Amino acid sequence: GQNIDQPTEMTATEGAIVQINCTYQTSGFNGLFWYQQHAGEAPTFLSYNVLDGLEEKGRFSSFLSRSKGYSYLLLKELQMKDSASYLCAVRERGFKTIFGAGTRLFVKA
Amino acid sequence: EAGVAQSPRYKIIEKRQSVAFWCNPISGHATLYWYQQILGQGPKLLIQFQNNGVVDDSQLPKDRFSAERLKGVDSTLKIQPAKLEDSAVYLCASSFWGESTDTQYFGPGTRLTVL
Repeated sequence: GQNIDQPTEMTATEGAIVQINCTYQTSGFNGLFWYQQHAGEAPTFLSYNVLDGLEEKGRFSSFLSRSKGYSYLLLKELQMKDSASYLCAVRERGFKTIFGAGTRLFVKA
Repeated sequence: EAGVAQSPRYKIIEKRQSVAFWCNPISGHATLYWYQQILGQGPKLLIQFQNNGVVDDSQLPKDRFSAERLKGVDSTLKIQPAKLEDSAVYLCASSFWGESTDTQYFGPGTRLTVL
C-alpha cells in the first residue's frame, strides 16, 4: 500500500537552513512533488523529482533517493514568509498522486 | 493566465442538506482533480477526470458524493446528504496532460462547514 511520512511540525530561525524529510512506500513510483501551503490557502508547486539527486531552485532544493524511498526539501536563508505547511506528494504509475499530511514550519525571528 | 477558479469560497449547511461546488480549470488542462482536505491533514483525492472521463474515483463516497465534468471543461462536485464529517476544504486542481511533470495547479478551495 501507499504510505508517506513527514514530521508534523518544525521550528527554525530566520536566516537559517532547514531540512524537511519525507519517506514513502509505494507500489509504483513515478515522481515526487513538494508543495507549499500557507494557512487558509491552496497548495502551490515548489519542486518535482523523478530521478535520484538534488534539484535546486533558488533558496529551495529538493533531493530524492528512490532506492531508500526518501526525499528532503531544503530551505535556505529562511524568511518569515516561509512559515507554512510543506506537503510531500508521491505520484504512482497511473498518475495517481498521494499527499502526505504535511509539515508545519514555524520561522521565528 | 487565469488560474483554477472555484465557487463558492465558503459554505455553511446543516447535516442532511445538499451542497454543490463548482470548478473551472486552467484553459487547456485536460486533467481535473477534486480533493478533500480535513484540517491538519494532506489533500485526499476524491476523483480525477481526464477530459470528461473518470480516471480514478476509488476514494469517492459514492453513496453521498457525485461529480461530473460533462463537457470536459468545468466540473461540479455534489454532496447529498451532508454529514458532520464532511466539514473540510474541497480543493480543485488541474494539470496539462502530457507535461512530463504533470504538475497540479490548485484553486483557492471551498471551505465547507456542516453543522
